[in-house]
Amino acid sequence: ETGVTQTPRHLVMGMTNKKSLKCEQHLGHNAMYWYKQSAKKPLELMFVYSLEERVENNSVPSRFSPECPNSSHLFLHLHTLQPEDSALYLCASSQDLAGGNLLSETQYFGPGTRLLVL
Amino acid sequence: QKEVEQNSGPLSVPEGAIASLNCTYSDRVSQSFFWYRQYSGKSPELIMSIYSNGDKEDGRFTAQLNKASQYVSLLIRDSQPSDSATYLCAVNPLQTGANNLFFGTGTRLTVIP
Repeated sequence: ETGVTQTPRHLVMGMTNKKSLKCEQHLGHNAMYWYKQSAKKPLELMFVYSLEERVENNSVPSRFSPECPNSSHLFLHLHTLQPEDSALYLCASSQDLAGGNLLSETQYFGPGTRLLVL
Repeated sequence: QKEVEQNSGPLSVPEGAIASLNCTYSDRVSQSFFWYRQYSGKSPELIMSIYSNGDKEDGRFTAQLNKASQYVSLLIRDSQPSDSATYLCAVNPLQTGANNLFFGTGTRLTVIP
């Protein structure tokens, strides 16, 4: 868990609030990811960044806004969320994007932020 | 639509037995496959990864891949109560170059002492 850290670990917010989730990886990786995990549903990929550039946005609503200021840090800015956005938000990192090399593409997860939207 | 299917369980095995977890996927071009273990309230932890057809062993864990039949399995030998967790299968189609992992819903394993 210490390779990828996330803060806060728990967050309760109202629908009109603005908050940010922070992720930091200490592994020297070049790619970072945001996932959403809801009960009884598969992990859903939200965003992918490689070398601070967004390479994937899986049709995520605009109330979620990612930011990657450098290859070690990733943020997820939240505003006007809905109760159905309550979930575990997981950050992950990998050495690189896919390249046929299991070592470079393996993703390592942070501990997650448990979000509750009231 | 890429899909990864797992039996949600729960799968219960006695301590010391072999636990067999199965996963099928729909995308024929999928190239790499991962098994993650997730304890309740925790984040996924990588257990095994496999790229080539056949078996790959690491300690008590063996991953088996059959691309022709589009399934990947995880065997846990000498199951321990500490193995009780949800096991997530993940598949990487390697089509977009964006390292998109597609996950199953997971199989909940309980090892009974």
